[in-house]
Amino acid sequence: NAGVTQTPKFRVLKTGQSMTLLCAQDMNHEYMYWYRQDPGMGLRLIHYSVGEGTTAKGEVPDGYNVSRLKKQNFLLGLESAAPSQTSVYFCASSYRGLAGGSSEQFFGPGTRLTVL
Amino acid sequence: AQKVTQAQTEISVVEKEDVTLDCVYETRDTTYYLFWYKQPPSGELVFLIRRNSFDEQNEISGRYSWNFQKSTSSFNFTITASQVVDSAVYFCALSEANTGTASKLTFGTGTRLQVTL
Repeated sequence: NAGVTQTPKFRVLKTGQSMTLLCAQDMNHEYMYWYRQDPGMGLRLIHYSVGEGTTAKGEVPDGYNVSRLKKQNFLLGLESAAPSQTSVYFCASSYRGLAGGSSEQFFGPGTRLTVL
Repeated sequence: AQKVTQAQTEISVVEKEDVTLDCVYETRDTTYYLFWYKQPPSGELVFLIRRNSFDEQNEISGRYSWNFQKSTSSFNFTITASQVVDSAVYFCALSEANTGTASKLTFGTGTRLQVTL
């Protein structure tokens, strides 16, 4: 199993450009998440999904859109990139526990994005 | 709102020393989960432990141990006989425990542990 994979690993954008980050998991997990990690701020949740075709906002959703057309994929889009979106982006997934709730989250390797 | 505080920004120890990483949390939920993740220099996040709020037993896994004290809202992590490979950033995290839905994690800002020879 590859676990959680992210594409691309690195990207440099100019202000105003758009791009999509792809997250894929092969563990058949129901739940998927996108976080951003900034120096001194830990990880913050951008958007998450509880299943195919459903998404919800996290703590810092502005400037991002997401889609989950297939259970194994979770896409994060930046329509008009800004320097404030320079960050490391992590995708994660988790499964529904037997007693309800969610398991621990399994993280991808991250995507380092720089917006000039 | 949930909050996780890791007051120690950086800790430096010499190999074989014991070290404790502090984590204090705030939540209004009566049921919740606490986590520790490790982020080595390579950048990936490695899951270490998940603790249910109803389970206050301390846990030991090799050189790692965790002390959960609900009375002080703390979930501290101790590494015994530290090694250079323990050098990493360690994150404490908190999630609600809603049945049947995703658990959104609230992370602390992390503690960078440097273990030297």
